[in-house]
Amino acid sequence: AQSVTQLDSQVPVFEEAPVELRCNYSSSVSVYLFWYVQYPNQGLQLLLKYLSGSTLVKGINGFEAEFNKSQTSFHLRKPSVHISDTAEYFCAANYGGSQGNLIFGKGTKLSVKP
Amino acid sequence: DSGVTQTPKHLITATGQRVTLRCSPRSGDLSVYWYQQSLDQGLQFLIQYYNGEERAKGNILERFSAQQFPDLHSELNLSSLELGDSALYFCASSPRGGSPLHFGNGTRLTVT
Repeated sequence: AQSVTQLDSQVPVFEEAPVELRCNYSSSVSVYLFWYVQYPNQGLQLLLKYLSGSTLVKGINGFEAEFNKSQTSFHLRKPSVHISDTAEYFCAANYGGSQGNLIFGKGTKLSVKP
Repeated sequence: DSGVTQTPKHLITATGQRVTLRCSPRSGDLSVYWYQQSLDQGLQFLIQYYNGEERAKGNILERFSAQQFPDLHSELNLSSLELGDSALYFCASSPRGGSPLHFGNGTRLTVT
């Protein structure tokens, strides 16, 4: 079955430090990949997406992710985090193309400490 | 603001009851998706509608049903509620399949 795996359930980090949130997806001929962020008591907000083309994708709030087909990974990175980045981050994949329903990972809670 | 509106924000009800959750998609979006978020299961896809027709089904229980109306708003009906149905229910919309989904702020359902 197709799946998305987020390897870390919680990631604590100090402010201004770099961070990487890891995501692996099950291999498929066609896959679209997304990162969403969920702040407390809010819905999910799209951070960035990979549909095709350049494997390095830049998103909002200074985040970027790299699509690596050989390692079936789509890790999210930020060179310097802020307190306001504290949230839960979800990696998601669309294997169906035309249908659009997403398969989500379990989420990674990023906690940025001063 | 994603442009997706969900009502109500909170719902508290008793076991065995039936509730209806409502979603208005972003202007121009034809696809509506329903997801359930719980601590143990994470985010689970329930069902998708496209322009009024059911397009895809996920882990949706038989006690749950949904529909999309001509004005494109959607309702998720949950019946014979159980304690385990307590969760956050999200609606999302997109212009068409394959596009990024835009999520509402969810309806938090508590079954007591």
